[in-house]
Amino acid sequence: DAKTTQPPSMDCAEGRAANLPCNHSTISGNEYVYWYRQIHSQGPQYIIHGLKNNETNEMASLIITEDRKSSTLILPHATLRDTAVYYCIVRGVYSGAGSYQLTFGKGTKLSVIP
Amino acid sequence: DAGVTQSPTHLIKTRGQQVTLRCSPKSGHDTVSWYQQALGQGPQFIFQYYEEEERQRGNFPDRFSGHQFPNYSSELNVNALLLGDSALYLCASRQTGRGEQYFGPGTRLTVT
Repeated sequence: DAKTTQPPSMDCAEGRAANLPCNHSTISGNEYVYWYRQIHSQGPQYIIHGLKNNETNEMASLIITEDRKSSTLILPHATLRDTAVYYCIVRGVYSGAGSYQLTFGKGTKLSVIP
Repeated sequence: DAGVTQSPTHLIKTRGQQVTLRCSPKSGHDTVSWYQQALGQGPQFIFQYYEEEERQRGNFPDRFSGHQFPNYSSELNVNALLLGDSALYLCASRQTGRGEQYFGPGTRLTVT
């Protein structure tokens, strides 16, 4: 799986949009970009994933550049409850039983400031 | 709809002992993975179970073993506990054909 690079930490004012970048310059054509977050001492929470088109759900938006070498997770109106470590993970297409794992890096610690 | 559940929440064991952790997947999910998360680190993949068989394994010794039951629930067993096994153990489940995994709250294991 392709390796990802994220800034170690970011701050965001409450109510403003949080834009979390991720670099994945070695991504292959069949690899998806996944985002998870982990609030302190809890299990990671799935946020969103995408292949090449921009995606949006009730939690966030995912913007993937045209060359797919980087992406940005957008939390449109950050709240204090969004303070967490955010992980960007690149994963191949699911292909049959077994053969699946998530490789977590160090992620970005997002602090939402009142 | 219940999410992924794990038991127990916390556990304290002594070096050399054995431990069993349990996981019930999210309704409709048939694949279970286990991860170990040391303090300050990201989760590390231990292994994955599907159709009651271990399908993929991370870089963990044979002291770590597992089982999946016909109802898709799973157990993680660790033998001959070491101090370094102290960590948060996470279970994640997913539905065949879908890529996103859903994690449980974890079991905090402390080895003294």
